Amino acid sequence: DAGVIQSPRHEVTEMGQEVTLRCKPISGHDYLFWYRQTMMRGLELLIYFNNNVPIDDSGMPEDRFSAKMPNASFSTLKIQPSEPRDSAVYFCASSLLEGGTYTFGSGTRLTVV
Amino acid sequence: TQLLEQSPQFLSIQEGENLTVYCNSSSVFSSLQWYRQEPGEGPVLLVTVVTGGEVKKLKRLTFQFGDARKDSSLHITAAQPGDTGLYLCALSRYGNKLVFGAGTILRVKS
Repeated sequence: DAGVIQSPRHEVTEMGQEVTLRCKPISGHDYLFWYRQTMMRGLELLIYFNNNVPIDDSGMPEDRFSAKMPNASFSTLKIQPSEPRDSAVYFCASSLLEGGTYTFGSGTRLTVV
Repeated sequence: TQLLEQSPQFLSIQEGENLTVYCNSSSVFSSLQWYRQEPGEGPVLLVTVVTGGEVKKLKRLTFQFGDARKDSSLHITAAQPGDTGLYLCALSRYGNKLVFGAGTILRVKS
């Protein structure tokens, strides 16, 4: 298996633009997690899915953020409109179990100018 | 709210030195994982510990789980520059989603 695949690796966008981050989890993993990592706040859980259904989105900072999982092999995290304070590294992870081993992607480094 | 603290926050040592980093929780947990994150990559699992008092070794790394299941430590013997990275502990209670600590940034100088 190729692991968790995220795209793009880097994204630079202007304030106000829409940004879409993509994730392909490991086949067979029922759980998918979206994290944001910054120096100030560390690794923050934004939202997670079980069998494509959102379970907990309490970490989503505000309505500008939305996430979808239309099928077991694809998820998106969208920010609209983007703001400079959204600049961070966004990670996707998948797991067989909710409290099991998480496999992380390589992340998307987002810079909003 | 669970409180998971890692210490120290930052550690800079010379190649060949030994070090220990700590992970402490305000509550009992059912399992604990240690991850290492290298620059530009996502965290990668090092080990999972589930039994109080458990000790696991991974080459020069020794992981210990406290008897009370509220703390853990990672000891590295003869650190090498390749050990440089962010070390994260993460715990689960009753199989629920992982809670990650803030991490310890380790820099090993040659």
